[in-house]
Amino acid sequence: GENVEQHPSTLSVQEGDSAVIKCTYSDSASNYFPWYKQELGKRPQLIIDIRSNVGEKKDQRIAVTLNKTAKHFSLHITETQPEDSAVYFCAALNTGNQFYFGTGTSLTVIP
Amino acid sequence: NAGVTQTPKFQVLKTGQSMTLQCAQDMNHEYMSWYRQDPGMGLRLIHYSVGAGITDQGEVPNGYNVSRSTTEDFPLRLLSAAPSQTSVYFCASRAEGGRGNEQFFGPGTRLTVL
Repeated sequence: GENVEQHPSTLSVQEGDSAVIKCTYSDSASNYFPWYKQELGKRPQLIIDIRSNVGEKKDQRIAVTLNKTAKHFSLHITETQPEDSAVYFCAALNTGNQFYFGTGTSLTVIP
Repeated sequence: NAGVTQTPKFQVLKTGQSMTLQCAQDMNHEYMSWYRQDPGMGLRLIHYSVGAGITDQGEVPNGYNVSRSTTEDFPLRLLSAAPSQTSVYFCASRAEGGRGNEQFFGPGTRLTVL
């Protein structure tokens, strides 16, 4: 199967600073890597994703990078705002149509 | 579109009881999945389906059954509830292949087993 590891488990940043969350995966055949934001008591919401044939993708203040050789991908949030505070999950989709999730990062943006 | 819906939102069971968590989607998605979310463990796949009549086991299938008689519905059955099944359960759906990798989650069911 697949194994996805996510670090750090908690992250505090000052408003306006950048936040970086990193994930590694074990199955080199995994081909799709989404990132989800989950607010307390709510469902996970997709914020950005990247496919295995792309190295980087950006959407306003959010970017994701993928290093297939090293089997790791990262979420970058710039100019953080208090409303960015939430739990973020990475995931990997393997060729067996199964998603494997990281254990989550609790991000706190301090005003 | 309602998207992915789940019922009930909350449920309390006694050990040994059985129940069915309902999930429905109105987006004509082929793929549907059930996850459980426990503190510090992310989301773990219980069962999934790639189309009506087809189901398969995920990472943590023991104690759960599923069926997929229609494209829209994917119920999850707890056969004999145990305290270890206390969790938040999310159903999700996505289209098949290509741009269909994006998963849409339901609002979740918070289950407590006493």
